Amino acid sequence: EVQLVESGGALEQPGRSLRLSCKASGFTFGDYAVNWFRQAPGKGLEWIGFIRSNAFGEATEYAASVKGRFTISRDDSKSIAYLQMNSLKTEDTAVYHCSKGRTQAGPWGQGTLVTVSS
Amino acid sequence: DIQMTQSPSSLSASVGDRVTITCRASQSISTNLNWYQQKPGKAPDLLIFAASSLQSGVPSRFSGSGSGTDFTLTISSLQHEDFASYHCLQTYSTPYTFGQGTKLEVK
Repeated sequence: EVQLVESGGALEQPGRSLRLSCKASGFTFGDYAVNWFRQAPGKGLEWIGFIRSNAFGEATEYAASVKGRFTISRDDSKSIAYLQMNSLKTEDTAVYHCSKGRTQAGPWGQGTLVTVSS
Repeated sequence: DIQMTQSPSSLSASVGDRVTITCRASQSISTNLNWYQQKPGKAPDLLIFAASSLQSGVPSRFSGSGSGTDFTLTISSLQHEDFASYHCLQTYSTPYTFGQGTKLEVK
């Protein structure tokens, strides 16, 4: 069974950093891209970015709202993708989800809550 | 950026009804369109990818159609567990963008 489990969410102050993890199982992780999405409380869904597989140079793309602040990386030996979030803003408060595949974008993990507040 | 216009934003229906939700893209996205179901407090579940391909494990009462700019999600006979929110997502070009969502409620 394909599973993705996010972790690392926390309460953090504006301007600080946080790293989220996405642990995958049930498929050959290294063969697939990983997307990150988020959903602010009571709001809609937002795409954050993706990282492609090693076969595609682990290329990354990001939404304008996070570009230059967030970095996606991966460790295929551990089947984990990471979302490094720097210079956090209050508007980054959301549940963060990862998903399998670049365009199929599913399934998703259950998400991890990031709260940015002073 | 590609804008996705989803309609209706809310819909009241009864068990057994046939329901259709629509997404329109601001430009052609070929068939790069996914549909998700989301229940309160849960992550979205992928129902349909590539406009019409049923995700493994999803009941066959769900179907998707369309290409270019106009797409449809159809639930052929609503079941109790289908009352939820539905979202479309274009994965044709970045930034990937979602429709505004449709909340399907009990009539």
